[in-house]
Amino acid sequence: EAGVVQSPRYKIIEKKQPVAFWCNPISGHNTLYWYLQNLGQGPELLIRYENEEAVDDSQLPKDRFSAERLKGVDSTLKIQPAELGDSAVYLCASSFGDRGFNEQYFGPGTRLTVT
Amino acid sequence: AQKVTQAQTEISVVEKEDVTLDCVYETRDTTYYLFWYKQPPSGELVFLIRRNSFDEQNEISGRYSWNFQKSTSSFNFTITASQVVDSAVYFCALSEERGTGTASKLTFGTGTRLQVTL
Repeated sequence: EAGVVQSPRYKIIEKKQPVAFWCNPISGHNTLYWYLQNLGQGPELLIRYENEEAVDDSQLPKDRFSAERLKGVDSTLKIQPAELGDSAVYLCASSFGDRGFNEQYFGPGTRLTVT
Repeated sequence: AQKVTQAQTEISVVEKEDVTLDCVYETRDTTYYLFWYKQPPSGELVFLIRRNSFDEQNEISGRYSWNFQKSTSSFNFTITASQVVDSAVYFCALSEERGTGTASKLTFGTGTRLQVTL
């Protein structure tokens, strides 16, 4: 069974440029998560989707970040414009269900460097 | 609010030594779940174990074992006879079960970097 797929793995951009990350969850997983991981820290939730609906986006900086999950499968996370402080790893995860006991499966992440 | 503390930032051991990674959590809920994830240099977090708040039985899986103690709010992870391939960052995480049936977010600790050398 294929795991969570993310692309690109690495991205270097100049500040004020836009950037987008793509995620394909494990087949059959209806819940999808985007996390931000700063160096030396644990992942922090940005947004959670149940199918195509964003059910928790309270931590998403909506002035510059946006996300979508059309058709309830793939998802895209966008930053426009990027700032130096956005340099981090962006992780996508998926789970079968959104209950507290559902283990989440993570992709390899996209490492973003903003110069 | 839920919180996970991993006080050990980095641990270095020689191969075949046993090592314990500490995890202390805070939660107001009576129903919650604890997780351990491994993050190797490749970056992908790998799920290791889930524990329910109402099940305090310790668990062993090969060289890995977990000690869950509600009295001290701890969920420690021990690797027996460590190997170089165990080198990674290990994260402890907590999620709560709300009465409405919806999940709270998964809260991670800051991680413990384990370095196993020959």
